[in-house]
Amino acid sequence: AQKITQTQPGMFVQEKEAVTLDCTYDTSDPSYGLFWYKQPSSGEMIFLIYQGSYDQQNATEGRYSLNFQKARKSANLVISASQLGDSAMYFCAMREGGSQGNLIFGKGTKLSVKP
Amino acid sequence: KAGVTQTPRYLIKTRGQQVTLSCSPISGHRSVSWYQQTPGQGLQFLFEYFSETQRNKGNFPGRFSGRQFSNSRSEMNVSTLELGDSALYLCASSGQQGALRNEQYFGPGTRLTVT
Repeated sequence: AQKITQTQPGMFVQEKEAVTLDCTYDTSDPSYGLFWYKQPSSGEMIFLIYQGSYDQQNATEGRYSLNFQKARKSANLVISASQLGDSAMYFCAMREGGSQGNLIFGKGTKLSVKP
Repeated sequence: KAGVTQTPRYLIKTRGQQVTLSCSPISGHRSVSWYQQTPGQGLQFLFEYFSETQRNKGNFPGRFSGRQFSNSRSEMNVSTLELGDSALYLCASSGQQGALRNEQYFGPGTRLTVT
């Protein structure tokens, strides 16, 4: 079974609008961390935001926020005020507490920002 | 602080050959992880090294191997190349090993093409 599911292969958003990228996860480990990375066409993965399973509040980093719904096992990324430079692949990833530390990635969502 | 560097950036090899990829982590980082990214399988974890010891290994055949040197630089080797090994190979470094919120910083990747 997929541990990280990103159901939107591609998304379009108008510049300056907000967009939500979906991510659901599957784990039986009570301790885990969720990450979002951005991958521009250049290939380098850029860390955006982190949410721990025990964090009481939803994570925010500038224009990025995470809508964490633990009971539903979802960790959606919200990008506010989209910019043309936000066009990229976005990956949701999880690290389980019982693991040695490797990240498990979803298949990604390709976001295209329209001017 | 310089980021993670990977060499070479692009590589073309013939089926049956072997290849060695190199990764220099961020200064002070002792953990290096390797990932393979393909359109079909997405991002898959290969292995992680910490202080010259392999701490974690993904589900890849023995043709994939790696090592880490005392200066934390890491190399990854693939022997007897197959067409399916064509991929973007990403290296990531982090300052810790085993911590849940262990932010990994990725390099630009080495794009390997096997013909």
